[in-house]
Amino acid sequence: DTEVTQTPKHLVMGMTNKKSLKCEQHMGHRAMYWYKQKAKKPPELMFVYSYEKLSINESVPSRFSPECPNSSLLNLHLHALQPEDSALYLCASSQRPRAEGEGTEAFFGQGTRLTVV
Amino acid sequence: GENVEQHPSTLSVQEGDSAVIKCTYSDSASNYFPWYKQELGKRPQLIIDIRSNVGEKKDQRIAVTLNKTAKHFSLHITETQPEDSAVYFCAASIGGSQGNLIFGKGTKLSVKP
Repeated sequence: DTEVTQTPKHLVMGMTNKKSLKCEQHMGHRAMYWYKQKAKKPPELMFVYSYEKLSINESVPSRFSPECPNSSLLNLHLHALQPEDSALYLCASSQRPRAEGEGTEAFFGQGTRLTVV
Repeated sequence: GENVEQHPSTLSVQEGDSAVIKCTYSDSASNYFPWYKQELGKRPQLIIDIRSNVGEKKDQRIAVTLNKTAKHFSLHITETQPEDSAVYFCAASIGGSQGNLIFGKGTKLSVKP
């Protein structure tokens, strides 16, 4: 199984709503990521979890709240979003590097296309 | 922090021609350089990657070269086909991290039949 599965595929939410994005992988990867991708732009790193602990938060507003319940699951809780938060939200996972600083392949999910109205 | 520059932003070639996309990075500690292909409405998919201890890697029609001294790496696609049309992103690992990637701005490749 080399899949990273994200749900839902599409989400429309109002600025006062609370919603959650979900991501699941069964490849035994211990690093999981949330990226945000605006149209015609590259993916931008939001959060990194390593061994279920948040290791990097790239100065993301608090209206985005990540959660890693276990090594296979990653959630992104959304609250009081703004229309400019509309984007494709990509989850990815990768192996922990064998050595410090060694990069490894990131596998991406299909993404959740979020529209904030 | 790491910065990745990618050129050109758009590239149009005739079917059968070669395509070359170039990237530069700033962090000398970066040691992993993947290339992703993203078709419209789909996820980024890894097409080839290279580590800093290797200067060149090839996989059928796709090759990547890395010059660590100059901090640049390039993607070469030979005998292009219409299905190669997509946006291509280069990326570099953030030095000393657990595989986090910084992406270039992307190149929209169009292969005309």
